[in-house]
Amino acid sequence: SQQGEEDPQALSIQEGENATMNCSYKTSINNLQWYRQNSGRGLVHLILIRSNEREKHSGRLRVTLDTSKKSSSLLITASRAADTASYFCLPNSGGSNYKLTFGKGTLLTVNP
Amino acid sequence: NAGVTQTPKFQVLKTGQSMTLQCAQDMNHEYMSWYRQDPGMGLRLIHYSVGAGITDQGEVPNGYNVSRSTTEDFPLRLLSAAPSQTSVYFCASRDRHQYGYTFGSGTRLTVV
Repeated sequence: SQQGEEDPQALSIQEGENATMNCSYKTSINNLQWYRQNSGRGLVHLILIRSNEREKHSGRLRVTLDTSKKSSSLLITASRAADTASYFCLPNSGGSNYKLTFGKGTLLTVNP
Repeated sequence: NAGVTQTPKFQVLKTGQSMTLQCAQDMNHEYMSWYRQDPGMGLRLIHYSVGAGITDQGEVPNGYNVSRSTTEDFPLRLLSAAPSQTSVYFCASRDRHQYGYTFGSGTRLTVV
């Protein structure tokens, strides 16, 4: 199984600023997903980027993938207090690999 | 659609008691998983299932049993609860043709 490692562990910004968090992984992937977890809630799937894609957008979210460096980044633009949450990446090697384990995540705090 | 439903939301057990955490999904998803989330540890995979009648162990299976008699339900059984099983438990499911997981809202379990 493969686990992503998110960096930084914690990030605190002001409302309206951009937030960038990073994910590193160890072995080649089929795709990589980002999830958000609001305090006390289950994870919510945000976006998926495939190994043959370098960048993907969804609303205020921008995800990049560098397979040569085995890393991904998630950018949240014009952040809001409601973006306060933990963010997790999930690298997926595909095939019959169902043992997907999440890392510790990045805790983003957006101050009003 | 209800998505993934977990019951109960909160539970307090005494050491040695047994109980079953319920998970049900109404999306006809083939894949279902159980995770536990502890402070500073991320989400760790307990057991997973790729279809009715098929289950397998994840990263931390000891002390837990699962079964998958129907596509909709994936209960997690604690045979003899221990304080180390105090955690928040999440159930997740996904369609075999998609990669994104849908999570339940969690069960917060305390073993005293």
